[in-house]
This record gives sequence, C-alpha cells and structure tokens, in this order.
Amino acid sequence: KNQVEQSPQSLIILEGKNCTLQCNYTVSPFSNLRWYKQDTGRGPVSLTIMTFSENTKSNGRYTATLDADTKQSSLHITASQLSDSASYICVVSAYDSNYQLIWGAGTKLIIKP
Amino acid sequence: KAGVTQTPRYLIKTRGQQVTLSCSPISGHRSVSWYQQTPGQGLQFLFEYFSETQRNKGNFPGRFSGRQFSNSRSEMNVSTLELGDSALYLCASSLSGSYGNEQFFGPGTRLTVL
Repeated sequence: KNQVEQSPQSLIILEGKNCTLQCNYTVSPFSNLRWYKQDTGRGPVSLTIMTFSENTKSNGRYTATLDADTKQSSLHITASQLSDSASYICVVSAYDSNYQLIWGAGTKLIIKP
Repeated sequence: KAGVTQTPRYLIKTRGQQVTLSCSPISGHRSVSWYQQTPGQGLQFLFEYFSETQRNKGNFPGRFSGRQFSNSRSEMNVSTLELGDSALYLCASSLSGSYGNEQFFGPGTRLTVL
C-alpha cells in the first residue's frame, strides 16, 4: 500500500534555531516528492518538488533532501523565524496505470520567541 | 496574476442539506483538484478535472460530485450532508494537471455541518 509517514508529528523550537523534518515513503512507482507549507486555516504553499534524480533542492532557508534508495526525504529549516510556524506536508506522487498523490499527515512546527 | 479563489470562505449547513462550493483557478490553468482536510488528517483527494473532464477520482462516496466549466472554473457539490463532512475543502489549480506540475491552492472553504 502506498504510504507517506512524517515525523515528528509536532515540534517546538526557539526562534533562530535549525530543525529537520522527516518523511518516509513506501510509494511505487515513485515519480516525484514535494514539500508544502500550510499556515493554519490556509491552503498549502509549495516549497520544493524533486524528481528521482535530484538529491537536494533549496528554497531560501528551506533545503529538502531526497534519498530514493532508502525512500526518505528531509526538510531542513535554517535560522527559524516566527513566520515558519506552520504545518509542513510531504507529498509523493506515483504513476502506474494512473497517477496519484499520496499526502503525509504533516509535521506541525511551532517557533517560540 | 490573481491566485486561486474559493467561495464561500465559510459555510454552515445542517445534516441532510446539500452544498455547492466554487473554485476559480489561476488564469491559464486548466486543471482543478479538490481536497478535503479534517483536523489532524492529511489532505484527502476528492477529484481532479482537466478541460471539463474528470481525470482522476479519490475514494469518496457518490454524494461528492464536481464539474468544471469551459472557463476552467469548477464547482464541488455534496448532497445529503453528514456531520463527518465538516472540513476545510481546498481547491488547487495547475497548468495541465497535478501530476508533475506545481499546484497552487486556494484559501479553502470551511464547511461546518450541524
């Protein structure tokens, strides 16, 4: 069964600190992996999208990594800011006879001043 | 360029009623996807439309239906509402489909069923 699991479920860190969020997937055949940021009560906003051949991708203070062999991805946030408080969602797409997007449940990140 | 717009933003209905939600994609985008998000749950895919045709469908009962118009605007209908239908309904648009293309989400419609 295609699944995406994220950890931790929630995380609290102090402003200015770095953090890393994890995403493990059992999706086949893999097509691409995306990270989204979702503020409370808002729609998700795309941070990165990576294909099989990409190991790392950055978007400002956000850096995503992908290990297609171990089926793991991480999202690293550098020098966190209060505005980084949000849920971060990992999404993996698969294509077989049809395509599907498998959404993780997200990691809720809280940045404290 | 204007973003994805959804109307209404908030809606309160009672059990048994039906509801129609609307989504206007980014200009030039031809694909619209709908998702349901409940507290603590990941986004659940409802369906995707491209050029007025349903291209993909999630595992939701037939009470959930949708359509897309020639201007790419889309509507989602839920009939015979149940308490469990209370959720944030999100619409996402993309140029030619959610597969391989970036999706842009609207602010969502918060539906409360009493």
